[in-house]
Amino acid sequence: EVQLVESGGALVQPGGSLRLSCAASRLIFSGYWMSWVRQAPGRGPEWVANIKQDGAEKHYVGSVKGRFTISRDNAKNSLYLQMDSLRVEDTAVYYCTRERSRALDYWGQGTLVTVSS
Amino acid sequence: DIVMTQSPDFLAVSLGERATINCKSSQSVSHNLAWYQQKPGQPPKLLIYWASTREFGVPDRFSGSGSGTDFTLTISSLQAEDVAIYYCQQYTSDPPWTFGQGTKVEIK
Repeated sequence: EVQLVESGGALVQPGGSLRLSCAASRLIFSGYWMSWVRQAPGRGPEWVANIKQDGAEKHYVGSVKGRFTISRDNAKNSLYLQMDSLRVEDTAVYYCTRERSRALDYWGQGTLVTVSS
Repeated sequence: DIVMTQSPDFLAVSLGERATINCKSSQSVSHNLAWYQQKPGQPPKLLIYWASTREFGVPDRFSGSGSGTDFTLTISSLQAEDVAIYYCQQYTSDPPWTFGQGTKVEIK
């Protein structure tokens, strides 16, 4: 069965940094675009960023451009999200997702990021 | 960015009855639309993609229709396990992908 496991979520102060990781198992990781999606408490999901199979193409939602960086290591079946200059409004559960024909077919259980002083 | 608007925000339906959720996009997304189901404490689950293609393993009481700017998710005969929040999401050629605000479905 396909499994995506996120880690790295924590409580961090505004302006701080955090790096999220996602480990993929039993999944043809290198053959798919991958995305990060976040969900603030009581809100709907918000797509954050995605990355092409070879890492050569990346896209971001406007609110995180210049602050977040998505990357991947196909040899380790891992996806990453480097988050800098964090804001209170970045507080959310962050999900690692696999894209299949651009729909998000597999989701991890998520990791909680709380930005607060 | 493309704005997705769902209606209604809340829907109460009797067991065995039909539930219909609408999703409207601020500009055409062709057939590039997916529907997700989210239960408390769980990540969203893909139900429908390409507006009307059911994901493997999804019961056939779930169906999707529409194209362009107007889409519908129908649950033909509501079951107790269908209580959840449902989201539409567009994924046109250029990101960002965007989601609707969600429709909460409960048993009447």
